Parts: sequence; structure tokens; C-alpha cells
Amino acid sequence: QKEVEQDPGPLSVPEGAIVSLNCTYSNSAFQYFMWYRQYSRKGPELLMYTYSSGNKEDGRFTAQVDKSSKYISLFIRDSQPSDSATYLCAMYPGGGADGLTFGKGTHLIIQP
Amino acid sequence: DVKVTQSSRYLVKRTGEKVFLECVQDMDHENMFWYRQDPGLGLRLIYFSYDVKMKEKGDIPEGYSVSREKKERFSLILESASTNQTSMYLCASRQGQSPKAFFGQGTRLTVV
Repeated sequence: QKEVEQDPGPLSVPEGAIVSLNCTYSNSAFQYFMWYRQYSRKGPELLMYTYSSGNKEDGRFTAQVDKSSKYISLFIRDSQPSDSATYLCAMYPGGGADGLTFGKGTHLIIQP
Repeated sequence: DVKVTQSSRYLVKRTGEKVFLECVQDMDHENMFWYRQDPGLGLRLIYFSYDVKMKEKGDIPEGYSVSREKKERFSLILESASTNQTSMYLCASRQGQSPKAFFGQGTRLTVV
């Protein structure tokens, strides 16, 4: 079983829709949960991070973490064509210099 | 804003060549990372460094080496490039135990 599972998509939704992106994971040591956005042929850009379980909101973006289910989500409200990108979840146990563990990314398309 | 700069956006090299990929960060981060990103495989950690002259193997170090002579600079070396090293290479940096990793724009390497 891979450590982090993420549906690669593509996920195509109309402009203005609410988008839900999800990841599941198996390593209960993960304490930090990140979402990155990556445009085509660019490096990933950090959108949000959350420590442990709970919700975090930033503008149109809401991140949720449910550690009991080992499930994390990113919601995008009022989606825009400029939100079209690949979204990567990433996780980190904390306390060391190790790299992050990434999902493979979900390719999101917002149709105008 | 943190800036992570990779020396080249696109590179084409011949099989057997020695290839250097350079990365510089401007935020005095202790930790630096090299990932490669391939379709269907996501981001995979090659090597990381938590201090000058220190390095640790990631998940896929075979065929690669690294050098960190200065805190701001982390180099990835392909000793003898092979076609299966054609990929997008991403450098990242992170401060101490913070989970927030910042990425460069990526280097698309093609080995022919």
C-alpha cells in the first residue's frame, strides 16, 4: 500500500462550482498536511498547511484533516478557470529534516 | 517571499555526459531537497541536505550524487546521464522543522 493515495483525475467542473480534492494516507506519524498547486511546466506552490486534525480556511480555499480516518481534503469555492492546475497533497511527520511525502496529484480543469 | 532558483529551465544532454543541476535559495534555509517528477509517479525524493556538506539519500538516489558547499546552494549531479533520467527535476528548501517547503521552477532534463 502506497503511503499517500490521490486520484489523478482529470477532474473537470464548470466555473463557479465547489471543488473537492482528497487524499488518504497510511502513516499515522504524519502531523503536518500541505496542499500545493502546480501549473503546467512550473514548480509546486504552497497553498495551505494544517497541523493535526481540523479545518483551515484561506479565502476561497478550505483544508480539512481527519486523522482518525487518515483523510484530508481541499475545498475550492467559486472555482475559477485560473484554478485549473494540478493539486498535490503532501505530508510530514515533523521534528526532522526529512522530505515531504507527496500524493501523485489531481489534475483539475475548470471549464469557463 | 522565499526564492528558490534553479539554474536552467530546460536542458538536453547526451547519454553518458556528466550533468550538473544547480539550485540556490535566498532565505538561509537549513534544509534543501532534490526531487524528480514523472507522470504517474509523482514527486520522488532523490537526496536532501540539512546542513553544509551534509547529505542524506532519499527514496531514489541511484545514479545521482549531490554537493552542498555553501548553505544557499545545493547541486544535483548525474555522473553518467542515461535516458531513464529524463525527467522534471525540482529543488526545494525548508527552514528547520517547519513543514513549509518552497520549490524552484523546475528543470526539464532530456537525455538523448
